[in-house]
Amino acid sequence: AQTVTQSQPEMSVQEAETVTLSCTYDTSESDYYLFWYKQPPSRQMILVIRQEAYKQQNATENRFSVNFQKAAKSFSLKISDSQLGDAAMYFCALIQGAQKLVFGQGTRLTINP
Amino acid sequence: DTGVSQDPRHKITKRGQNVTFRCDPISEHNRLYWYRQTLGQGPEFLTYFQNEAQLEKSRLLSDRFSAERPKGSFSTLEIQRTEQGDSAMYLCASSPGLNYEQYFGPGTRLTVT
Repeated sequence: AQTVTQSQPEMSVQEAETVTLSCTYDTSESDYYLFWYKQPPSRQMILVIRQEAYKQQNATENRFSVNFQKAAKSFSLKISDSQLGDAAMYFCALIQGAQKLVFGQGTRLTINP
Repeated sequence: DTGVSQDPRHKITKRGQNVTFRCDPISEHNRLYWYRQTLGQGPEFLTYFQNEAQLEKSRLLSDRFSAERPKGSFSTLEIQRTEQGDSAMYLCASSPGLNYEQYFGPGTRLTVT
């Protein structure tokens, strides 16, 4: 069975600073995809960034980047120059095989002005 | 492209009643997914369709739950004889194919009293 673990229930960061959210996962497959999704309060879930397991290069999307350590089964999200609009629940997720997303428990990110 | 839509957005029902939710995916997305999310948790997979075929059902989907996607377009999720434990956010997502990211709707929040 696949599992995704986010060990930080809550994180906070000062506006304009950098924050890193942690995620570890477990899977027996070699071909899979990893995602970070953002869920703002009372708003729908949106994709932040994706990483293909076969790619060694870490994905980057503007202020968002990942540190993908395949051997360690670690997939952390770094948010640079944090903005007030980044405040949300962040979910790490894994997809493989049957194509269903397996989510972690989430990390609530607060941005302090 | 108006995104994934869900109806209703909120539903309050009494225990024992039946409820039905609707999801309209992004047009031409052949995969459609249902997830359930309880407060403070990540979404959990319920079931998914490829076109009109229901390809996988989670063990979370008891015999009181049924989902359909009759013409490979919109989908319905019905819960019969609702219980208080069914109170949750029901999320729908669609995807254009294998290993593509899933696009989520705003969800239907069900409260069973």
